[in-house]
Amino acid sequence: QSVLTQPPSASGTPGQRVTISCSGSSSNIGSNNVNWYQQLPGAAPKILIYTNNQRPSGVPDRFSGSKSGTSASLAISGLRSDDEADYYCAVWDDSLNAGVFGGGTKLTVL
Amino acid sequence: EVQLLESGGGLVQPGGSLRLSCTSSGFTFRSSPMTWVRQAPGKGLEWVSAISDRGDTTSYADSVKGRFTISRDNSRNTLYLQMNSLSAEDTAVYYCAKDWKCDYWGQGTLVTVSS
Repeated sequence: QSVLTQPPSASGTPGQRVTISCSGSSSNIGSNNVNWYQQLPGAAPKILIYTNNQRPSGVPDRFSGSKSGTSASLAISGLRSDDEADYYCAVWDDSLNAGVFGGGTKLTVL
Repeated sequence: EVQLLESGGGLVQPGGSLRLSCTSSGFTFRSSPMTWVRQAPGKGLEWVSAISDRGDTTSYADSVKGRFTISRDNSRNTLYLQMNSLSAEDTAVYYCAKDWKCDYWGQGTLVTVSS
């Protein structure tokens, strides 16, 4: 069981806005930056958001990240069928002195 | 273009050892921390280990501490993961990733621990 809690699944219809949460604690999200990754079926993960809310070049502005206290969120607006993927949050944990990933959220576009 | 290529995976018996390599190009390897992440079949991502740019600072997940060793050769642009005392729970695709924030990933190499 991960120290970061994500909902196992999320869903939405094309064009909709979906939010995925990531809940942690003061030793991880509360004191460090959060990154988000997208893993398409059969592919390696790809970074979507770094340092809580920064988008790498090439990532559409439909994807946005935020952090408040010991929780973080990934929002996807204008949902598309090719957004169907697994999404993971990750952060450094000061107590563990190690990185940690959330359990992942499987996004389904209905 | 950043490229990361893992190798060294395969089938190994329980209790055995394996060394993974990750060859890098397209960025200044010697200036970048590096990370190993694994994914068991049908499961989520698990952070395994990371190393600083000069190799003088390393970190490990509790699940591999004392059994795995991360290292790097900056003259060869190569990252390593020495894995000892392997068990079935270590069966996974192992990815190397650039930087603490894993901004680039390789395609992974499959490690299967089975008799």
